Amino acid sequence: DGGITQSPKYLFRKEGQNVTLSCEQNLNHDAMYWYRQDPGQGLRLIYYSQIVNDFQKGDIAEGYSVSREKKESFPLTVTSAQKNPTAFYLCASRYRGGGYTFGSGTRLTVV
Amino acid sequence: AQRVTQPEKLLSVFKGAPVELKCNYSYSGSPELFWYVQYSRQRLQLLLRHISRESIKGFTADLNKGETSFHLKKPFAQEEDSAMYYCALCDYTGTASKLTFGTGTRLQVTL
Repeated sequence: DGGITQSPKYLFRKEGQNVTLSCEQNLNHDAMYWYRQDPGQGLRLIYYSQIVNDFQKGDIAEGYSVSREKKESFPLTVTSAQKNPTAFYLCASRYRGGGYTFGSGTRLTVV
Repeated sequence: AQRVTQPEKLLSVFKGAPVELKCNYSYSGSPELFWYVQYSRQRLQLLLRHISRESIKGFTADLNKGETSFHLKKPFAQEEDSAMYYCALCDYTGTASKLTFGTGTRLQVTL
């Protein structure tokens, strides 16, 4: 069953902690993306990667980091430098020239 | 810089009434535009892509380059159309692509 999987579904973080959100796809898509979804603000791009070992900052990259060591995986780390990390995080992938496929999301809450 | 504007946060219509969700964009090149839909508790999914000129679930959208608009229309709203709708523009920089989203419009179809 091809698709894009995000885990965990819910994540709780204490202030000052780093947390990593997982995103895996078996669609053989080259490009992968991380978006943050907040009520009333739509989806904002955090980071994206077109190929393995290469990634670019999106519009709101501060306080986040990523890696792309494998084509299938694009984990996002929310660092303690992110001042307002509570949000819904969406991962997406795209085959060149095709549409975007989205994961089911991870809801991160700072406690 | 590219921008997508959805002026309505909420659109409430009666079942059977026509629906028009507005989307305006600014982009210096030739735009590639999408409509995505997010039903309650489901992942974001592609509804329409302007280059395919399809009609999905009775929805259509026409690109008007003169007015820089890509409004989503349906002649008769159904209860199951109630969802969050996002207009998005694909921005290309060399071989890289990324989606820029509007802030979304919640469609509420009532009896």
